[in-house]
Amino acid sequence: SQQGEEDPQALSIQEGENATMNCSYKTSINNLQWYRQNSGRGLVHLILIRSNEREKHSGRLRVTLDTSKKSSSLLITASRAADTASYFCATAPPQAGTALIFGKGTTLSVSS
Amino acid sequence: DAGVIQSPRHEVTEMGQEVTLRCKPISGHNSLFWYRQTMMRGLELLIYFNNNVPIDDSGMPEDRFSAKMPNASFSTLKIQPSEPRDSAVYFCASSLAGGRSGANVLTFGAGSRLTVL
Repeated sequence: SQQGEEDPQALSIQEGENATMNCSYKTSINNLQWYRQNSGRGLVHLILIRSNEREKHSGRLRVTLDTSKKSSSLLITASRAADTASYFCATAPPQAGTALIFGKGTTLSVSS
Repeated sequence: DAGVIQSPRHEVTEMGQEVTLRCKPISGHNSLFWYRQTMMRGLELLIYFNNNVPIDDSGMPEDRFSAKMPNASFSTLKIQPSEPRDSAVYFCASSLAGGRSGANVLTFGAGSRLTVL
């Protein structure tokens, strides 16, 4: 069963604009991760935020986590055409040695 | 490291045929996961192994699906007999469970695209 639900399902922006994607989940987590998938490729890990963290940055990526609302957001600043991809959130349950549960993803299209 | 290696990349077969998908995880990783991706259902966890032992196979859709991990460097996902509704992209991923981060960061293979006619 899917744990995370991304919103919006699709997002189209111009180069240079910021892109914000949201993820909501249902149960307790140890951490939440964001992955990117280019067309026809496997998923690539972008960033991880632990349940006791509220914000994390990596380059042009900013992730926030609100455990009281069971939600997370991924912000990509100054987007580029190369950012065009699908973005997935994945939740890690609190129990050790368990599997990530992925949402259905947000498809981002950045036009130049 | 060459990453997670999956084969074949593409498979087209006829209904009723046996399909075997293969995966070589990253050396040193001790957890291996099989996911299936379709437009309708997204990315679904089929089964995962810790230290070559199957931990949770509740995502395996039917008895037609089976997975093995005979050693730390190889896993197979078998579908017998295959059906058109099995058409999907099958991903293998590996991780170092219990590492310093304890975070289950996954490294994915490129996937095996299966088409069952």
